[in-house]
Amino acid sequence: DTGVSQDPRHKITKRGQNVTFRCDPISEHNRLYWYRQTLGQGPEFLTYFQNEAQLEKSRLLSDRFSAERPKGSFSTLEIQRTEQGDSAMYLCAEEREPTDTQYFGPGTRLTVL
Amino acid sequence: SQQGEEDPQALSIQEGENATMNCSYKTSINNLQWYRQNSGRGLVHLILIRSNEREKHSGRLRVTLDTSKKSSSLLITASRAADTASYFCATDAYGDTGRRALTFGSGTRLQVQP
Repeated sequence: DTGVSQDPRHKITKRGQNVTFRCDPISEHNRLYWYRQTLGQGPEFLTYFQNEAQLEKSRLLSDRFSAERPKGSFSTLEIQRTEQGDSAMYLCAEEREPTDTQYFGPGTRLTVL
Repeated sequence: SQQGEEDPQALSIQEGENATMNCSYKTSINNLQWYRQNSGRGLVHLILIRSNEREKHSGRLRVTLDTSKKSSSLLITASRAADTASYFCATDAYGDTGRRALTFGSGTRLQVQP
């Protein structure tokens, strides 16, 4: 157990619906990253936060995706108007000192029907 | 895009044997990490090796790094059935905003037969 929790663990939704995932790191001061992982592939970077500031977004993050980290604590990732191609595992990771190792949560598996 | 590529993509061995997985990457790195992932679960951090290190050990794990060849290897000695999982290498480099997002390979799926 890395101490990083994600909720829900599984989400099944119909195409066109909005979904929101949550990630709770152990510290509000650590950097927080979101990744997406499709079947048979390694995770791919989506976005990251330093405290409450979202400092970078990858090109994978379309306009339908939005992420927040209010008060630098937990983070949410929302997908609007879901598409079947959004089906994936969504992982968050917390970067901790002194080694700057990233510790991953268990992930949220999204299935869009 | 995937920076690292693991080799082989799949590996099946008998319990007690050693397992070796290789990773190649394309750009300069600060460090390289290996993660394990059991089916449908999150990633578990195994070991981190810095760009100025050549070899590192942790229990039954041995990692080497050759920055001139842009490659790394993970050796698991005396494998156990519980080692069955996918193994990923991940590299990081500082971006313009200071981010250290990891770039993962596509993984090696290890099957250890009891």
